[in-house]
Amino acid sequence: SQTIHQWPATLVQPVGSPLSLECTVEGTSNPNLYWYRQAAGRGLQLLFYSVGIGQISSEVPQNLSASRPQDRQFILSSKKLLLSDSGFYLCAWSWDTELYEQYFGPGTRLTVT
Amino acid sequence: AQSVAQPEDQVNVAEGNPLTVKCTYSVSGNPYLFWYVQYPNRGLQFLLKYITGDNLVKGSYGFEAEFNKSQTSFHLKKPSALVSDSALYFCAVLGGNKLVFGAGTILRVKS
Repeated sequence: SQTIHQWPATLVQPVGSPLSLECTVEGTSNPNLYWYRQAAGRGLQLLFYSVGIGQISSEVPQNLSASRPQDRQFILSSKKLLLSDSGFYLCAWSWDTELYEQYFGPGTRLTVT
Repeated sequence: AQSVAQPEDQVNVAEGNPLTVKCTYSVSGNPYLFWYVQYPNRGLQFLLKYITGDNLVKGSYGFEAEFNKSQTSFHLKKPSALVSDSALYFCAVLGGNKLVFGAGTILRVKS
């Protein structure tokens, strides 16, 4: 069976500090991978998605970047955090042939102070 | 561009009563529609999908959704609500190779 992991679960970082959130998927190969941000406990905003190693599509210009160094690893980064980067970050994966049925990780709650 | 709208921020229902969470869509071409549920401080879970075929789609946890082309709606329903159904529900549509989510509707089921 497939599982998706995210860490850390919670993170408190000062403004201007760097960020690295990690997501890994087990039990599948060549998944599509996604990073979402959920602000104020409601709407989801797609930040990045990846269809393969080194292939990253950015949905919204912002202070964040993503990388996929390995097939089942997806990293969300920032060089300098802003207050507005606070939120709940969700990683998800899908089969490359069934884009719509996405499986979400447990999320990382980021608070920028 | 593909989009969905969830007109209700919150729906309140008594345990045992039927529930409906509304969703309308705007797409070019045939819609691929989905419902997801999110429990507090958790990731989203897939509930059900409409791709083609029967307008009434059955999903997880006793939920079902009715696709109505003339009204461009895809409402989520359950005949008898449980307190444990209380959560945040998202409608979504496939736009290109991405899911486009609605703003979400909080469902509160009271005993």
